[in-house]
Amino acid sequence: DTAVSQTPKYLVTQMGNDKSIKCEQNLGHDTMYWYKQDSKKFLKIMFSYNNKELIINETVPNRFSPKSPDKAHLNLHINSLELGDSAVYFCASSQATSGRFGTQYFGPGTRLLVL
Amino acid sequence: SQQGEEDPQALSIQEGENATMNCSYKTSINNLQWYRQNSGRGLVHLILIRSNEREKHSGRLRVTLDTSKKSSSLLITASRAADTASYFCATVHTGNTPLVFGKGTRLSVIA
Repeated sequence: DTAVSQTPKYLVTQMGNDKSIKCEQNLGHDTMYWYKQDSKKFLKIMFSYNNKELIINETVPNRFSPKSPDKAHLNLHINSLELGDSAVYFCASSQATSGRFGTQYFGPGTRLLVL
Repeated sequence: SQQGEEDPQALSIQEGENATMNCSYKTSINNLQWYRQNSGRGLVHLILIRSNEREKHSGRLRVTLDTSKKSSSLLITASRAADTASYFCATVHTGNTPLVFGKGTRLSVIA
């Protein structure tokens, strides 16, 4: 059973398009995250949601809009894609009882390439 | 920047040898975590060590933490080819800041 799943795994699109990435976790965790990993493998947090409520927004352009319909899902919608958005996007979740930023469980990643 | 720094950036060893990776950070932490990332995959949590702990073990992994030096080390004993991956330290700083990841150490274990 996949604990944290993301779709799609690969996403190739043209500049200016709008795209969404979906994430689901079946671990019963209260907190979910989006991270961006650039070509140099640098991993940086973008957003964090706790029980469907946004708790972290790390100076991400407002072209990126996370949506959490319930605590098991955190989707990422990106408007007007730019070349610099090309990266691997990881969804993650953690258990609130382990601390807000305790052990994180990562999805397999979505490789986004903007042409 | 609170970003941690791993050292070395890359490490190549023979199977059976021990691998040591270091992580340094700049400001006080609540906890420090080590993660492994295999090529093309997501990160997998290895060990979490709290600021009041000095050493933790998990199987062939040993993590130490020296808060006076603001540094941690990850030791993998008797390495295997399957240990080939990138290893990241991540810190939660005082005030419960989000996890801050370092740039990682790329470990290659040659059979």
